[in-house]
Amino acid sequence: GAVVSQHPSWVICKSGTSVKIECRSLDFQATTMFWYRQFPKQSLMLMATSNEGSKATYEQGVEKDKFLINHASLTLSTLTVTSAHPEDSSFYICSARRAGGLSEQYFGPGTRLTVT
Amino acid sequence: QQQVKQSPQSLIVQKGGISIINCAYENTAFDYFPWYQQFPGKGPALLIAIRPDVSEKKEGRFTISFNKSAKQFSLHIMDSQPGDSATYFCAASGGNTDKLIFGTGTRLQVFP
Repeated sequence: GAVVSQHPSWVICKSGTSVKIECRSLDFQATTMFWYRQFPKQSLMLMATSNEGSKATYEQGVEKDKFLINHASLTLSTLTVTSAHPEDSSFYICSARRAGGLSEQYFGPGTRLTVT
Repeated sequence: QQQVKQSPQSLIVQKGGISIINCAYENTAFDYFPWYQQFPGKGPALLIAIRPDVSEKKEGRFTISFNKSAKQFSLHIMDSQPGDSATYFCAASGGNTDKLIFGTGTRLQVFP
């Protein structure tokens, strides 16, 4: 158990457009989901924490109006990159924590975003 | 206080050898210490995790050693295999945060 999926696995978009990335917990309910960003050969950088039914909490320096996060159900969270620019090109990864669980986070396979 | 320091940055081991990766933390409120394995282009996968009430945890070829007084923990990969070649991240969480604080990662290469 504890499978997390992401869709799409990769996406190419033009500068100025918006892109939505979905994160789903397939076999468990997740009250909390996390969104990370990872640059090549670097560690994971937490962007925001989302709790089901409430507003996301963004890390310092992350623009909440640019990276819109919605956690509408216990199995789905979405990240929308609005008005994307080439510098937004990155690997975006979500993770989920079980409802009633302790600290374990299970990660999705990631989404490669390229903005041209 | 929130940092997790990881070393080495890269590691080359011969097949069958032991790979050892070390991490150190400062926040004594941390109470959960996982290790993640990440292959290129994939998301991290939870490998093994430990809590401060034990000094060692073993799962197959993977062992975590935990030293609470030194605020250090390490991952040992016994009988390292070429398929273990990946980037390994340590992490920590606890206290007043449920966020994972990640180390900088160690790129492991196991040669046949």
